[in-house]
Parts: sequence; structure tokens; C-alpha cells
Amino acid sequence: DAKTTQPNSMESNEEEPVHLPCNHSTISGTDYIHWYRQLPSQGPEYVIHGLTSNVNNRMASLAIAEDRKSSTLILHRATLRDAAVYYCILRDRGGADGLTFGKGTHLIIQP
Amino acid sequence: EPEVTQTPSHQVTQMGQEVILRCVPISNHLYFYWYRQILGQKVEFLVSFYNNEISEKSEIFDDQFSVERPDGSNFTLKIRSTKLEDSAMYFCASSERAGGRLIDEQFFGPGTRLTVL
Repeated sequence: DAKTTQPNSMESNEEEPVHLPCNHSTISGTDYIHWYRQLPSQGPEYVIHGLTSNVNNRMASLAIAEDRKSSTLILHRATLRDAAVYYCILRDRGGADGLTFGKGTHLIIQP
Repeated sequence: EPEVTQTPSHQVTQMGQEVILRCVPISNHLYFYWYRQILGQKVEFLVSFYNNEISEKSEIFDDQFSVERPDGSNFTLKIRSTKLEDSAMYFCASSERAGGRLIDEQFFGPGTRLTVL
């Protein structure tokens, strides 16, 4: 899997939007961009994924740069429950293989 | 909502002993995985399993490790002779492959904390 780069930590206030960046300059044409998060003392949890177009689901939005070398996970209105480590992971199309987790971004939400 | 379950939640064992960690994946899922997370470190992939055989394994998954799907519901990870450095949280995950969908999310269980003394 290609490498991703994320900030070690970010801080935001409750009920404000959060933009979590991820750089993946060596992404290949068949790599999907996945985001997972890990709440304290829990297993990882799928958030969203995309290939080229921006994606929205009930949890978040994913904005993908036109050249696909970076992406941003957007939490529209952060709650205290969104405090977690967020992982940006590249995965080959059709791949059912293991996920390669990096260190992720530790998101801190202030009340 | 269906979920992946794991037992036990915490296992304490002596170095050199065998342990079996158990997982019940989501019922219609076809792909199964084990990951581990040493305290304070990142989540590491161990092995993936499909159609009753290992499809991929990492360097961590050496001869001390084995996986099995002994029946239609359980998926197990065995560590034959535990070492101190095997102490970690072990996560099971599963995913499905539905028609027309090429990429499927992995659903993770709550983990088993293994402590080797």
C-alpha cells in the first residue's frame, strides 16, 4: 500500500467543522482512499472511502484533490464522541487484503 | 446492527503457553482478518483468510501463529507458544463482497487484550 502522511494531532471545538488532511503523493490509479477511526479502547471503525469524486455519508464527507495526491476528511459538526485517532489508508481496487494503518491523527475535541 | 464479537475480552497467560482467541464474524461475511495493537503503537495487520485458506499474511504472522474457521461461525487465532512481546490487543475483522462492489469496509470487533506474563 502507498504511504500516507497525516498530522500527529489536531484540536477542535465541539459543534464546529473539522478538516482532517491526508497527503498521499505516491497514490496509484487503482488506489482507493479509505478513512477509519479508532475511539478510545475500541477497535477501528470504518468512516468513508472514495476514488476520485467527493463522497458523503452519514458520518462524514471526503474531499479528494483533483490530482488525488491529497484528501480531506470533513466532520461537519464535531461532537465529543468524535474524539478519536483518524487513519487515512490507501487500498488497491478490489483488494480484500489487510489494511496498513499508520499513526493517524489524534483528534481532540474541546467542549 | 450486526457486529463482530470476540472472546475473551481479556486473556492472561504464562509465557510459553498456547492461547486461542475467538471471533464470531458477521454472518454473511466472507473475508476474515486478524490485527494486533501493542499498547501505544499502531494497529498492525496479521493475516487475512478467505475460502478456508490464508490469502495474505504479514511478517509478524510466523509459525507460532495459526488461524482456523472450525465451523460456520467462529474464526480463531492460535498462538502456540506465547512470548512476552505477544502482549497486545488483538482485533478480528470481517468484510463482505457484495455484487458490484469492489471495495468493502472491514468491520472490527472490540478486541481481546492478551497479557503474557
